[in-house]
Amino acid sequence: GENVEQHPSTLSVQEGDSAVIKCTYSDSASNYFPWYKQELGKRPQLIIDIRSNVGEKKDQRIAVTLNKTAKHFSLHITETQPEDSAVYFCAASEGNSGYSTLTFGKGTMLLVSP
Amino acid sequence: NAGVTQTPKFQVLKTGQSMTLQCAQDMNHNSMYWYRQDPGMGLRLIYYSASEGTTDKGEVPNGYNVSRLNKREFSLRLESAAPSQTSVYFCASIGTANTGELFFGEGSRLTVL
Repeated sequence: GENVEQHPSTLSVQEGDSAVIKCTYSDSASNYFPWYKQELGKRPQLIIDIRSNVGEKKDQRIAVTLNKTAKHFSLHITETQPEDSAVYFCAASEGNSGYSTLTFGKGTMLLVSP
Repeated sequence: NAGVTQTPKFQVLKTGQSMTLQCAQDMNHNSMYWYRQDPGMGLRLIYYSASEGTTDKGEVPNGYNVSRLNKREFSLRLESAAPSQTSVYFCASIGTANTGELFFGEGSRLTVL
């Protein structure tokens, strides 16, 4: 089955700095890579995703890059703000069957200090 | 829309007791999932149901059973609770086919003493 490794497990930055979270996956058949944000005590929510036919995707201050050859993908957050503080999960799935079973990384706790 | 609704939100059990976590979605989604979340372990899939009438094991199914009651409802049962099942449980359903986007419920915090 799929195995997703995520690093770092914790990340502390100053407000305005950039933050980068990296993930690797094992199954070359995986073709869908979402990122979820979970604020303290809340449910995980999708913030951005990328498919294997795209190398980079941006949405305002967040971007995701994908290197399918190396089987790794990254989340980039620019101009971080205190409200970016949360746990971020990467995930991977094969997703060709009309449904998908996502395998999640163990999460990165991002703390943005004012 | 309510989205994905889970009950109960909190539950304390004694070892050996049984209970059922209920989940319902009102988004007409075909696929539904149960995950557990433990500190430092991320979200691990317990069981899923790709469509009404089907269920399949995920990564950590031992000690659990599920029922896809109809298209809206997917329940998770602990027959004989163990302290290792202390966790936060999330139900989720999938949106548009092939996007993989999961819509999560608010979670159910279960403590087994």
